Amino acid sequence: SQQGEEDPQALSIQEGENATMNCSYKTSINNLQWYRQNSGRGLVHLILIRSNEREKHSGRLRVTLDTSKKSSSLLITASRAADTASYFCATDVGEQKLVFGQGTRLTINP
Amino acid sequence: NAGVTQTPKFQVLKTGQSMTLQCAQDMNHEYMSWYRQDPGMGLRLIHYSVGAGITDQGEVPNGYNVSRSTTEDFPLRLLSAAPSQTSVYFCASARGPWNEQFFGPGTRLTVL
Repeated sequence: SQQGEEDPQALSIQEGENATMNCSYKTSINNLQWYRQNSGRGLVHLILIRSNEREKHSGRLRVTLDTSKKSSSLLITASRAADTASYFCATDVGEQKLVFGQGTRLTINP
Repeated sequence: NAGVTQTPKFQVLKTGQSMTLQCAQDMNHEYMSWYRQDPGMGLRLIHYSVGAGITDQGEVPNGYNVSRSTTEDFPLRLLSAAPSQTSVYFCASARGPWNEQFFGPGTRLTVL
C-alpha cells in the first residue's frame, strides 16, 4: 500500500485562483517532498520540508506539515495555466526508500 | 551537465523477450533508483542503490534485475518480459534517499 496518499485525486480551478492539495502518510518521516509532473515528462522537485519544520515557502508555493496528523498540504497561489500538471508527495519510509503517492491531477482553466 | 539520461525513450517487446533499460547520471550522486508509473497508480519503487556495488529491492522488484558497477550507471534488466510490465519507467538520482531526486525523461515500454 502507498505510504503517501494525495487528496483530491483531481482538481480543476480557474486561472488566478489558489489550489490546495493534501498528502497523508502512515509512518513517521524524516522529511516530505513535493514534485510536479507535466504530461509525459519526468518528475521535477518542488520543495522539501523536514519533520521539524511546520511551513515552508518557495515563490507561489506554500507547504505545511503536521506530523501529529501525519499530513501535509501544498498551496499554489495565483494559479497559472502553466501550473497544469500532476503533483506528488513523497515520503521516506526508512530503509533508504522514497515512496510516492498516487498524485493530484491539477487543471487550470483559462 | 546532462543530468539523468535514459535510453531508449520507447520500446516494444514481445512476451518472453529480455532487455535492459539504461540510466546514467553525471552529478556524482550516490543514490539511484528505478520507478514504474502506471495510470492511476503513481510511482512504485522497483529497485534502488545507495552506491556502487550496493543494490536493494523496492516495492515491486519481481521480474527485474539491477546492477551498479559504477557510480554513473544503473541499468534495469527485464528478464522475461510480460504484458504486466507495460509501463513508463523512470530512473532517478540524488545525493541520498532523502534528498531532492532528479528524474530522467522516462522510457515508455509496451509488452505485447
